[in-house]
Amino acid sequence: AQSVTQPDIHITVSEGASLELRCNYSYGATPYLFWYVQSPGQGLQLLLKYFSGDTLVQGIKGFEAEFKRSQSSFNLRKPSVHWSDAAEYFCAVSGATNKLIFGTGTLLAVQP
Amino acid sequence: GAVVSQHPSRVICKSGTSVKIECRSLDFQATTMFWYRQFPKQSLMLMATSNEGSKATYEQGVEKDKFLINHASLTLSTLTVASAHPEDSSFYICSARDPGLAVQETQYFGPGTRLLVL
Repeated sequence: AQSVTQPDIHITVSEGASLELRCNYSYGATPYLFWYVQSPGQGLQLLLKYFSGDTLVQGIKGFEAEFKRSQSSFNLRKPSVHWSDAAEYFCAVSGATNKLIFGTGTLLAVQP
Repeated sequence: GAVVSQHPSRVICKSGTSVKIECRSLDFQATTMFWYRQFPKQSLMLMATSNEGSKATYEQGVEKDKFLINHASLTLSTLTVASAHPEDSSFYICSARDPGLAVQETQYFGPGTRLLVL
């Protein structure tokens, strides 16, 4: 069955510290992978996506993610977190059906 | 960039009434739109796929008679919650797929509609 796992429900980092949010997926074919961010009471904004090619993808707001097929992972990273990055982050996978399957999300808190 | 709007952003209604939520793609034509439901502190669950000019495809467990979807134009899809009850209270989010993109679709999400049924 297709699924996405985000093992960390809640993460707190200090402003300026580095960040890594974990995402593991289970998908039978070549996956298309996404990271979205959701601010409180808002819709989702696409941070980055992986379809093919270079396994390290760059996104908006200084985020990047690396696709590791051997580990079925697509972890999101940022070298220096800003207070405005506090939000909920969702990893998602889709394929030929074009349906997005979301993980349960990781809530990021940023300490001053 | 691709912009998707939803209206209303928030609605409070009495149990038994019907509520209509609109989803519009503002700067592109969307042949396919998706409707999601998000419970507090949970992930988004796909409810249905809305295709312009045809019937919506509902996910397993979603009542098609309760959640009526109409995609009458390339820029508008509507979700009507029929005879809403308190358990229908949730955050409803739509997304639209831009068929003009050269790569496998990216879905652009609306800001969501908060429904509270009293």
